[in-house]
Amino acid sequence: IQLTQSPSFLSASVGDRVTITCRASQGINNYLAWYQQKPGKAPNLLIYATSTLESGVPSRFSGSGSGTEFTLTISSLQPEDSATFYCQQLIDFPLTFGGGTKVEIK
Amino acid sequence: QLQLQESGPRLVKPSETLSLTCTVSGASFSSNDYYWGWIRQTPGKGLEWIGCLHYSGSTYYNPSLKSRVTISVDRSKNQFSLKLNSMTAADTALYYCSRLRRYNSGWFVGFWGQGTLVTVSS
Repeated sequence: IQLTQSPSFLSASVGDRVTITCRASQGINNYLAWYQQKPGKAPNLLIYATSTLESGVPSRFSGSGSGTEFTLTISSLQPEDSATFYCQQLIDFPLTFGGGTKVEIK
Repeated sequence: QLQLQESGPRLVKPSETLSLTCTVSGASFSSNDYYWGWIRQTPGKGLEWIGCLHYSGSTYYNPSLKSRVTISVDRSKNQFSLKLNSMTAADTALYYCSRLRRYNSGWFVGFWGQGTLVTVSS
């Protein structure tokens, strides 16, 4: 199952609402996760099952979607959100990831 | 608190076999709710899932690597290992060990090791 993220790069200001899209090559119900990776660190789980926030993740992060189209939204971008974000389908092996979206703070 | 620590050589020669070990602390393997596995990351191909292993012994491998990969567990040492043979420059990557968590019939990466950079070069 291929996952296509868009955009691959975005630049936004603190306080902006940011949306990242992940499209699956076939329907995956709600079997999608999102990760945040900061430079020099391993990815960190944000959301699983499309919209379930991992414990400790700020509520400004949210996920939605179903089937083949999913979104990750940051409601009010913060300086510490500068990172690359990845989606991952969890419906079937082999697990696959999107190509990533790099978020830059203006 | 769960910790995963990768160990192994940082430099591997072409055609040789990579052997990496992940030492698990703060958790045991004996749970139905987890798989233990390996993921790698390169600038060109991004994140690539390699494979995983369940405490019951069942394994899943990425078909693109299946012919070269073995993942095994040493319960006495609370470790699991990756062997990838016939290494080439294309296998140069940051290798992460991980713990997969279950959601219904699906699996996501609930926890990542810090990663270890492996370079293939003569």
